[in-house]
Amino acid sequence: DTAVSQTPKYLVTQMGNDKSIKCEQNLGHDTMYWYKQDSKKFLKIMFSYNNKELIINETVPNRFSPKSPDKAHLNLHINSLELGDSAVYFCASSQDTGRAEAFFGQGTRLTVV
Amino acid sequence: QKEVEQDPGPLSVPEGAIVSLNCTYSNSAFQYFMWYRQYSRKGPELLMYTYSSGNKEDGRFTAQVDKSSKYISLFIRDSQPSDSATYLCAMIENYGQNFVFGPGTRLSVLP
Repeated sequence: DTAVSQTPKYLVTQMGNDKSIKCEQNLGHDTMYWYKQDSKKFLKIMFSYNNKELIINETVPNRFSPKSPDKAHLNLHINSLELGDSAVYFCASSQDTGRAEAFFGQGTRLTVV
Repeated sequence: QKEVEQDPGPLSVPEGAIVSLNCTYSNSAFQYFMWYRQYSRKGPELLMYTYSSGNKEDGRFTAQVDKSSKYISLFIRDSQPSDSATYLCAMIENYGQNFVFGPGTRLSVLP
């Protein structure tokens, strides 16, 4: 049983399109995150949600919007995709914000053409 | 200066060698220190986690933190080809603020 699962695994789309990536965790964790890993493998936090409340919002473009229907899900919606959005996006969860141990999904490789 | 620095490698060692992986950081507010391992095309997985200066051992892995020097290390004893991966250090301030990863060191253990 996968702890943190995200779909799709691969996503190829054209510039200007809107797309969503879904994430679900079955660990009972209170905090979920979205990370972006660029071509140089640098992993940077984008958002985190704790009990459906946004608690960290790094300086990402407002074309990116996290949506959390419940504490087990944190989806990432991206509007007007740009070439520079091509990267691997990882979802992660941790027990709460005071716990640093985060568990990661397998990643979604987004390619914008 | 970046908040967290790490030699990107690649680092190649023979099987059985002792591996030393290091990170330096500039933010003295970091309190919790982690090492993650990431295999190719997979998500990072947590290896070790510590919050105090000193050593913490788990099997073949030892994490070392020196807060006064702002320096952390991961040692791998008796390295195996299955240890070949990218190793990322990560650190976080109190209350979950400012969770930052290093850029990762790519390690290859040759049989």
